[in-house]
Amino acid sequence: AQRVTQPEKLLSVFKGAPVELKCNYSYSGSPELFWYVQYSRQRLQLLLRHISRESIKGFTADLNKGETSFHLKKPFAQEEDSAMYYCALSGSGGSYIPTFGRGTSLIVHP
Amino acid sequence: DAGVTQSPTHLIKTRGQQVTLRCSPKSGHDTVSWYQQALGQGPQFIFQYYEEEERQRGNFPDRFSGHQFPNYSSELNVNALLLGDSALYLCASSASRQPQHFGDGTRLSIL
Repeated sequence: AQRVTQPEKLLSVFKGAPVELKCNYSYSGSPELFWYVQYSRQRLQLLLRHISRESIKGFTADLNKGETSFHLKKPFAQEEDSAMYYCALSGSGGSYIPTFGRGTSLIVHP
Repeated sequence: DAGVTQSPTHLIKTRGQQVTLRCSPKSGHDTVSWYQQALGQGPQFIFQYYEEEERQRGNFPDRFSGHQFPNYSSELNVNALLLGDSALYLCASSASRQPQHFGDGTRLSIL
């Protein structure tokens, strides 16, 4: 069974500090990993996918198959990064049916 | 394009009743998925519809059923409502294997 674990319910940092939101997964095959974000009063939206290997809004995430992790990082947090972040996994070869973690609330203080 | 639209935004029902939630996908999308999001949890996959058929289903009882219409819009039906069905119900649409776009959700409260 596939599972996504986000160990932190809440992460609080100051503006300009580095931020790392942790995500660990369990999956027997080759997974596809995603980070979704939900800003206050907005709908859930895709932030980035591991296969794209891109940086979005300064965030990056590297898939570490050895540690089964897909941590989201940003070197200098901004107040507008405050949001709910969800890590999600889907099995490769199928349709995009992600299994979501419970989410981490990121608060960036001025 | 308004993106994915869901109706109603809020709904209050009592135990044992039945409810129908509606979703219109983003323009150009042909696949609709439904999720249940309980308070403090991530979205949990209910099922996905493509070409008017249920293509995949998550671990939800048969009380949860759905439908997709020729215009790709979709309905989620829940029968014999339980208190535990209280949640935010999210609809997401996609095209082919592209990432999903989510709606704002319907907040369902069971009394």
